[in-house]
Amino acid sequence: DTEVTQTPKHLVMGMTNKKSLKCEQHMGHRAMYWYKQKAKKPPELMFVYSYEKLSINESVPSRFSPECPNSSLLNLHLHALQPEDSALYLCASSQELAGQIYEQYFGPGTRLTVT
Amino acid sequence: GDSVTQMEGPVTLSEEAFLTINCTYTATGYPSLFWYVQYPGEGLQLLLKATKADDKGSNKGFEATYRKETTSFHLEKGSVQVSDSAVYFCALSRTMDSSYKLIFGSGTRLLVRP
Repeated sequence: DTEVTQTPKHLVMGMTNKKSLKCEQHMGHRAMYWYKQKAKKPPELMFVYSYEKLSINESVPSRFSPECPNSSLLNLHLHALQPEDSALYLCASSQELAGQIYEQYFGPGTRLTVT
Repeated sequence: GDSVTQMEGPVTLSEEAFLTINCTYTATGYPSLFWYVQYPGEGLQLLLKATKADDKGSNKGFEATYRKETTSFHLEKGSVQVSDSAVYFCALSRTMDSSYKLIFGSGTRLLVRP
């Protein structure tokens, strides 16, 4: 099973709302990632979790708050977003062993619209 | 810093035509290289990968060879189908702290006409 699932598929929220995006994988991967993708652009890395610990934060505004409750789940909590935050949010996961680089498996994404 | 450069799209081909999408990279050391494909409205799917010089990745009729001397990883397919229409991203991976990150090219849109 090489599937990463994301919910919801679509989300519309106002600038004062609080919402969460969810990601799940059951491949035993210990690295999980959040990316943001604007139309006609490549994905931009936001956060990386390694063994449930935040290892990379690419200077993302604090209105985005990641959480990794266990090795299979990754959440992205959203609060007070701006219209320019509208994008496709992609989750990915990969194996992680010392000295080895493994491919990342991506979920289908959540299409977020901020009104 | 590390970077990936892809040919500008869109690339428009007729069915059964030969496909080449150019990808070159700038990096220190020996990164791993990947091609990902994104179909409309979907996430990215790994198409193929190569982890060292002269490795050839292949999948679903697509191929790419890791060329260290030309710092390239061009994607090829001998006979494209309408179903290959998608955006293709070349990427390299770099270690960063205790993890690693993917650095993507800008993507190349492929349109295959019947």
